[in-house]
Amino acid sequence: DAGVTQSPTHLIKTRGQQVTLRCSPKSGHDTVSWYQQALGQGPQFIFQYYEEEERQRGNFPDRFSGHQFPNYSSELNVNALLLGDSALYLCASSLWWTNEKLFFGSGTQLSVL
Amino acid sequence: LAKTTQPISMDSYEGQEVNITCSHNNIATNDYITWYQQFPSQGPRFIIQGYKTKVTNEVASLFIPADRKSSTLSLPRVSLSDTAVYYCLVGMGSNTGKLIFGQGTTLQVKP
Repeated sequence: DAGVTQSPTHLIKTRGQQVTLRCSPKSGHDTVSWYQQALGQGPQFIFQYYEEEERQRGNFPDRFSGHQFPNYSSELNVNALLLGDSALYLCASSLWWTNEKLFFGSGTQLSVL
Repeated sequence: LAKTTQPISMDSYEGQEVNITCSHNNIATNDYITWYQQFPSQGPRFIIQGYKTKVTNEVASLFIPADRKSSTLSLPRVSLSDTAVYYCLVGMGSNTGKLIFGQGTTLQVKP
């Protein structure tokens, strides 16, 4: 039973470019959340997807957008990359309407040069 | 969502018991308390979750007083591999995905 998988593991982009990160949730999970973790900080909530809709959003600009597919997998898109977007991007999956814990992937390390 | 406060760092030695306390004065009635562990360049990993009193699993214990304004994660007989950042979080229900992480507690276990 695979856990949460994310791709790619590492990515290098330049300022102004666009990036897409991908996430497959743990088998049986229907909800995907994305977090950004800067070096030395705790993860910061970006947004959450359930039934292919954005359900909650953290304090992130519209440059950050997402999508959830019918198979529950998800993408995170970031446009017009800034140097400050360099971070570890984490995907977490869970079951909607439960108190079940979040399962996190190992993340995508994004470097913006 | 309730804010949490925990020590920035702690040191311990192998074989000792480690207790990390977290305060959450504004915890809501339906909030659970959850602890995660994170190693460098990895995602957080669930350790334990509780609502009140004491919860124990194979890796840790969680002590929650009656007023639920604080909680203590207890790691018995730590080893070098327990060196990690530990996060205390509160909040549950349909907001499960929107967890508020603080800076966490960096635990350094020494030989």
